[in-house]
Amino acid sequence: DTEVTQTPKHLVMGMTNKKSLKCEQHMGHRAMYWYKQKAKKPPELMFVYSYEKLSINESVPSRFSPECPNSSLLNLHLHALQPEDSALYLCASSAPGTSGRDKNEQFFGPGTRLTVL
Amino acid sequence: KQEVTQIPAALSVPEGENLVLNCSFTDSAIYNLQWFRQDPGKGLTSLLLIQSSQREQTSGRLNASLDKSSGRSTLYIAASQPGDSATYLCAVRPPLYNQGGKLIFGQGTELSVKP
Repeated sequence: DTEVTQTPKHLVMGMTNKKSLKCEQHMGHRAMYWYKQKAKKPPELMFVYSYEKLSINESVPSRFSPECPNSSLLNLHLHALQPEDSALYLCASSAPGTSGRDKNEQFFGPGTRLTVL
Repeated sequence: KQEVTQIPAALSVPEGENLVLNCSFTDSAIYNLQWFRQDPGKGLTSLLLIQSSQREQTSGRLNASLDKSSGRSTLYIAASQPGDSATYLCAVRPPLYNQGGKLIFGQGTELSVKP
C-alpha cells in the first residue's frame, strides 16, 4: 500500500475560523511533510517531521501549526488565515534513514484545496 | 544553493511521438532525484526515483537518466498517449547531512499530447 490520504478534499474557511487538515499513511514511513502549492507553481515545503519530531520549519507563519500525534498521522492546524493562504496543501511521507536500502522516495497525498474568504 | 531548472516549460506533441523532458541542477552533491507527474488540481504521483549512484531507471514507457557530473536528468516518454498529458516535475534531494528531508523542485514541464 503506497497511499497517503488527506482529509478534507476541499475546505472553505473565514479568516477568523479554526480548522485542521489531516494526513494519514500506513506504509511505516517515519518522515512526513507538509507542502503548500499555488497554481502553476511547484510545491513549497512547509514542515518536516522525522520520527514524530519537527525537524524542518521553513519559516512558516505561526497561524499554521503542525502536529504529529503518532507515526501514521500528521495534522495541520489553521487559525486566522489570510486570503493569500488559499492554495493546495499537500502531505507526503517517506522512509528516512542513512541506510543505503532506504530510497527516501516521497509519496504524496491528493491534497486539500483550501479557500480562505 | 541548489537550483533546479526544467526545460521546456510547456510542450505539445501529437500522439505516438517519443519525447524527452529535461531537468538540470546546479549542485552535483545530491542524494537522489525524483520525477513526478501532477494532473490539474491533484497530488503528485511518483514516477521514477534515481539514486545518486545510479545512471538510469525504467518503468514501462518511461526511462529516466541521471548524469550527476553535468547536473542533468532526462525523462524519456516512449509512444506518448493523450493520457500522458500532465505537468511533470523534477525534484532533487540534497545529501542526508544537508537538509536531507527537503526536496528542491523545478518549475515543471506542462505536457499536452494531442490525439
